Amino acid sequence: SQQGEEDPQALSIQEGENATMNCSYKTSINNLQWYRQNSGRGLVHLILIRSNEREKHSGRLRVTLDTSKKSSSLLITASRAADTASYFCATVRGNEKLTFGTGTRLTIIP
Amino acid sequence: DVKVTQSSRYLVKRTGEKVFLECVQDMDHENMFWYRQDPGLGLRLIYFSYDVKMKEKGDIPEGYSVSREKKERFSLILESASTNQTSMYLCASSLLAGLNQPQHFGDGTRLSIL
Repeated sequence: SQQGEEDPQALSIQEGENATMNCSYKTSINNLQWYRQNSGRGLVHLILIRSNEREKHSGRLRVTLDTSKKSSSLLITASRAADTASYFCATVRGNEKLTFGTGTRLTIIP
Repeated sequence: DVKVTQSSRYLVKRTGEKVFLECVQDMDHENMFWYRQDPGLGLRLIYFSYDVKMKEKGDIPEGYSVSREKKERFSLILESASTNQTSMYLCASSLLAGLNQPQHFGDGTRLSIL
């Protein structure tokens, strides 16, 4: 069963704008991870945020976690054409396996 | 960087055939995983392994089996391929520190069963 649900399912923005994607989940988690998948390729791990963390940064990426609302957001600042991809959140309960959402398809318009 | 290599990018097989998908990782990771990815369904875990010769069922193991004879290699076997097994198959690996650690993925095998 899927734990994380991304929103929106698809997003198109102009190059240079910021992109925000959201992930909601249903049960308590150990950590939440974001992955990127370019068309026809495998997933690439972007960032991991633990349940006791509220915000994390990596380059142009900013991830927030609100455990009271059971939600996370991924912000990509100053978007580039190369950011065009699908983005997935994956949630983990305890030491169980990752459970992936269905993804947000991001398109950056040059 | 971790390298996870899947033997084929594209594969076409016929109904009823026995199909082998191979995956090799070069970073001495203990955990290895097989997923299938279908539009609108996201990634679903088929099987995983946390050690040589050890395997655990994931969410959708029916119609599949796996083999892990060496630490670096994890094979997915479709015992008798059916059309509903047409999909993108992704292999991943991670360190033993926990199943909740970041996973490193191969580029996938797009399998078509005719």
